[in-house]
Amino acid sequence: AQSVTQLGSHVSVSEGALVLLRCNYSSSVPPYLFWYVQYPNQGLQLLLKYTSAATLVKGINGFEAEFKKSETSFHLTKPSAHMSDAAEYFCAVSMNRDDKIIFGKGTRLHILP
Amino acid sequence: EPEVTQTPSHQVTQMGQEVILRCVPISNHLYFYWYRQILGQKVEFLVSFYNNEISEKSEIFDDQFSVERPDGSNFTLKIRSTKLEDSAMYFCASRRVNTEAFFGQGTRLTVV
Repeated sequence: AQSVTQLGSHVSVSEGALVLLRCNYSSSVPPYLFWYVQYPNQGLQLLLKYTSAATLVKGINGFEAEFKKSETSFHLTKPSAHMSDAAEYFCAVSMNRDDKIIFGKGTRLHILP
Repeated sequence: EPEVTQTPSHQVTQMGQEVILRCVPISNHLYFYWYRQILGQKVEFLVSFYNNEISEKSEIFDDQFSVERPDGSNFTLKIRSTKLEDSAMYFCASRRVNTEAFFGQGTRLTVV
């Protein structure tokens, strides 16, 4: 069975500081990994995806994530946080591109002025 | 840009009543999904639908739930007799072959 674990249900960073949201996955097959963002009262928007090509994946809004097989991790980073980054972030895994997506519990990112 | 559209955005219903949540997937997509998110909790998979039939369903998707693609464009989730614990945000998603899923804005269902 596949799963993802997100460390920290809430993360606070100062505006301009590095954002690091942690995600570890468990999968019996090479996984497809995703980060989704949910702004308040909105739906789920894909930030980026890993599909076995480059291990460093760049997404929208300056976010990127690195797939590390040895650590079974897919942490999300952004060099400089902006107030507009405040949202809930979900790491997710899929067995293949056509399979259902399994979400983590989410991390709420707070940006401090 | 094409998007997945869900209606209504918010539905309030009495316990025991039937509700139908509607979704219009992106037009050339072939795979369809329903997920739910109970307030403050993670997004949970309910069901996937392909080629006019359910391809997979979770333990949550019991006999009270059903899905349908009645007219080739809409994709509906029906809950026959709602319970208080069905209160959640319900997300529809669709995808083509070998692409990521696109999610709708969600329908917030409140059972009173």
